[in-house]
Amino acid sequence: DAGVIQSPRHEVTEMGQEVTLRCKPISGHDYLFWYRQTMMRGLELLIYFNNNVPIDDSGMPEDRFSAKMPNASFSTLKIQPSEPRDSAVYFCASSSAGTGANVLTFGAGSRLTVL
Amino acid sequence: DAKTTQPPSMDCAEGRAANLPCNHSTISGNEYVYWYRQIHSQGPQYIIHGLKNNETNEMASLIITEDRKSSTLILPHATLRDTAVYYCIASNAGGTSYGKLTFGQGTILTVHP
Repeated sequence: DAGVIQSPRHEVTEMGQEVTLRCKPISGHDYLFWYRQTMMRGLELLIYFNNNVPIDDSGMPEDRFSAKMPNASFSTLKIQPSEPRDSAVYFCASSSAGTGANVLTFGAGSRLTVL
Repeated sequence: DAKTTQPPSMDCAEGRAANLPCNHSTISGNEYVYWYRQIHSQGPQYIIHGLKNNETNEMASLIITEDRKSSTLILPHATLRDTAVYYCIASNAGGTSYGKLTFGQGTILTVHP
C-alpha cells in the first residue's frame, strides 16, 4: 500500500480564497482523522470519521472549516474563506479497528500558507 | 485522557540506547500508553503502545512501571535517523475503539555521531 496520500503537498493562497485539501486513506482502514499542526498550538485533532461518518468535529475551529468523507477512499477538508491564521500543516491519518484504532498512519501533510 | 509529562529535550550518542521517560501519574486503568515520533517535515509515526505489560517490536521497547504511573521508551541502538520529536500519549481506548490522541510538546531527541 502507498500509505495515506495527501494533496496538495504545498498550497499558497490569498486571504478569502477557498482551500480544499484531499486525503486518500489506506485501503481497508475504517477511521480517518484530520489534524492541524502549528508552532504555537502543536498537533490538534480537527475531526475524525468512522466508516465515513463524522464522529467528533469538536476540534474544527469555526464554521469556515468543513470536512467530508463521501466514500471509504476519499476525504476533503475545506476552508472557506481562508485567513492568514489558517496557515499550518494539515495532516490526514487513518487507522483500522482491526489492528488498533489508535494506531494511526499519517500522511506527509499539506502545508498551507494564506497570505 | 491522563496528562503526560516528558522532558523537553534529550541527547544520545549514535549506537547507544536512547531511554525516553514519560510520566503519567494520573493514568486510569483503561488507558493505554502510546508512543509516536515525528521526524522533521514528516507526519507523525506510530512506534509502540501498551497497557501494563512491557512491549517490544522491531522499532523499540516500552517499559511500563508496575503502578503504571510512568513508562520508558527504549531505542536500543539509536541512529542519526532516530532524531525526532517523541510523543507519549495516554488514551482511554485501545483495540477496536478510538480514543482521542492528544499530542503534547513531546521530547526532542537528538542523536549525535
